[in-house]
Amino acid sequence: EAAVTQSPRNKVAVTGGKVTLSCNQTNNHNNMYWYRQDTGHGLRLIHYSYGAGSTEKGDIPDGYKASRPSQENFSLILELATPSQTSVYFCASGGGGVDTQYFGPGTRLLVL
Amino acid sequence: GDQVEQSPSALSLHEGTGSALRCNFTTTMRAVQWFQQNSRGSLINLFYLASGTKENGRLKSTFNSKESYSTLHIRDAQLEDSGTYFCAAEPSSFSKLVFGQGTSLSVVP
Repeated sequence: EAAVTQSPRNKVAVTGGKVTLSCNQTNNHNNMYWYRQDTGHGLRLIHYSYGAGSTEKGDIPDGYKASRPSQENFSLILELATPSQTSVYFCASGGGGVDTQYFGPGTRLLVL
Repeated sequence: GDQVEQSPSALSLHEGTGSALRCNFTTTMRAVQWFQQNSRGSLINLFYLASGTKENGRLKSTFNSKESYSTLHIRDAQLEDSGTYFCAAEPSSFSKLVFGQGTSLSVVP
């Protein structure tokens, strides 16, 4: 079974502060993804990456940056956190092409 | 944009009974995944299909890309099947997932 871990699992931040969410996968997958889940919206894609050094905008990228420094690690960065970014964030990895995506356990972020 | 319409939004089943969940797609999708989200919020992979039908225990899923739909059948429902079920489809263009809104399933004695 593919292994994707996220840290922190829970985070409380203040409005205007910087937040970094981290994701690590040990599956040697090329692709990694960040989604957020809000009530009534299912999961929505924020940013994704095809490999180390690459980041691409997903469907809702505004207010977020991403960083893929290595095959294993993919970070989501909120430079100036806002209360509207309160959500549950999921990281996923996949081999690319026609392939299953595997999800991490999620990070609950509360922006006050 | 790409859309996935999932139904029903909520479902209640008595133990031992069964039902079907459905996702309709408004654009061509090359694959679909089904997940169960449990009470802790974890997303559990159930199926990945690029075509046809797969079965695993009491669950069976079908993906028909030409007719733009996928179904998840649950039979002999158990209490532990309760949770929210999501379908997520891959557009033909590239490897991203577009999620449905989810079906909240409650299995009662």
